[in-house]
Amino acid sequence: DAKTTQPPSMDCAEGRAANLPCNHSTISGNEYVYWYRQIHSQGPQYIIHGLKNNETNEMASLIITEDRKSSTLILPHATLRDTAVYYCIVRTSYDKVIFGPGTSLSVIP
Amino acid sequence: DVKVTQSSRYLVKRTGEKVFLECVQDMDHENMFWYRQDPGLGLRLIYFSYDVKMKEKGDIPEGYSVSREKKERFSLILESASTNQTSMYLCASSLQTGGRNEKLFFGSGTQLSVL
Repeated sequence: DAKTTQPPSMDCAEGRAANLPCNHSTISGNEYVYWYRQIHSQGPQYIIHGLKNNETNEMASLIITEDRKSSTLILPHATLRDTAVYYCIVRTSYDKVIFGPGTSLSVIP
Repeated sequence: DVKVTQSSRYLVKRTGEKVFLECVQDMDHENMFWYRQDPGLGLRLIYFSYDVKMKEKGDIPEGYSVSREKKERFSLILESASTNQTSMYLCASSLQTGGRNEKLFFGSGTQLSVL
């Protein structure tokens, strides 16, 4: 089973920030949080990952709570092309990589 | 950029046939994975490998086997294809870094239809 829980769906207005939450209350100390997204009929695409510090790259920001039991992926200015299923995964090395059902994000014009 | 290549985008096979799905990556990644994706069921892990000749069962290995004779190639084998194996098959690879940078790179998938 996936080690994370995410809301099944969310809407976001185009141009606004999309904040996607993920709960990983059983995360262990050596597990990283990874985010991927999948646009219809394509393979999932890596977005960002982190251990305990907040991270930012050209695609998104990742905010991890101090207790590491949850995180939020932030797309600062959502566009229609950000409509996709977003997956939050926790894992360490030599580990199964299990995808849960993810969050289906719809960006509304 | 990392490239993960799956040999066919679409494949049609008959029930009972032996089917090989090939996946090749060009970035010297240690880890390789096979998933299948079905509507309403999401991505499910079939097998994975973290070294040549090593394999580990995922969540749904029944009816499948794998082969990893070379580091860059990970093959998924359906010994006797059945209609319930009709699905989108996705291959992925990643480095092995103790977890700190093991982002997965996916191929574009093979849509297999078993008739």
